[in-house]
Amino acid sequence: ETGVTQTPRHLVMGMTNKKSLKCEQHLGHNAMYWYKQSAKKPLELMFVYSLEERVENNSVPSRFSPECPNSSHLFLHLHTLQPEDSALYLCASSQVLAGNYEQYFGPGTRLTVT
Amino acid sequence: GQQVMQIPQYQHVQEGEDFTTYCNSSTTLSNIQWYKQRPGGHPVFLIQLVKSGEVKKQKRLTFQFGEAKKNSSLHITATQTTDVGTYFCAGLLGAGKSTFGDGTTLTVKP
Repeated sequence: ETGVTQTPRHLVMGMTNKKSLKCEQHLGHNAMYWYKQSAKKPLELMFVYSLEERVENNSVPSRFSPECPNSSHLFLHLHTLQPEDSALYLCASSQVLAGNYEQYFGPGTRLTVT
Repeated sequence: GQQVMQIPQYQHVQEGEDFTTYCNSSTTLSNIQWYKQRPGGHPVFLIQLVKSGEVKKQKRLTFQFGEAKKNSSLHITATQTTDVGTYFCAGLLGAGKSTFGDGTTLTVKP
């Protein structure tokens, strides 16, 4: 499946580093999402962009900063992370039509904060 | 607090046995979706239910949406080792916001 791609697939970073996660969808969808998946919380919605505008921000710490330059690309900028931020970060997209919110997920970025 | 609860958290079955996972919401849902995540993989969309009392089937999988649109279930008949993974429900509460349950992880002993 190559509809939603994420890079990098694995990332190890120190707490003082700055890095970015990238997501690209090739499905012509108009909404994109960032999720955090960890043993503590299986699927935790972080941000939602619909038509390139942020419509959801679930009390995510400011050390996570999303960016959606166009409907096909989504970034998650990371800075001064904590070890508890280590998790799988999943990107998803959907075509928000009347009553249809089927989401397509990317393979995820496995993030380790040391 | 969490608005979509899923039970059980884990289920271990012998191959050939049936399996059911349940999803319950404290509020009425516009629709409900089911996803499967294989070990080491990412969630993959299975199905969406919209109508009250709706029942849909995909081979050995049967999905139901409650009459009050507050609960749903996924039933697998005669499990196979290829069914292993975590099954998530996601309830659409309105305004485009889907809330995922915590998932049920199924293991199948051959």
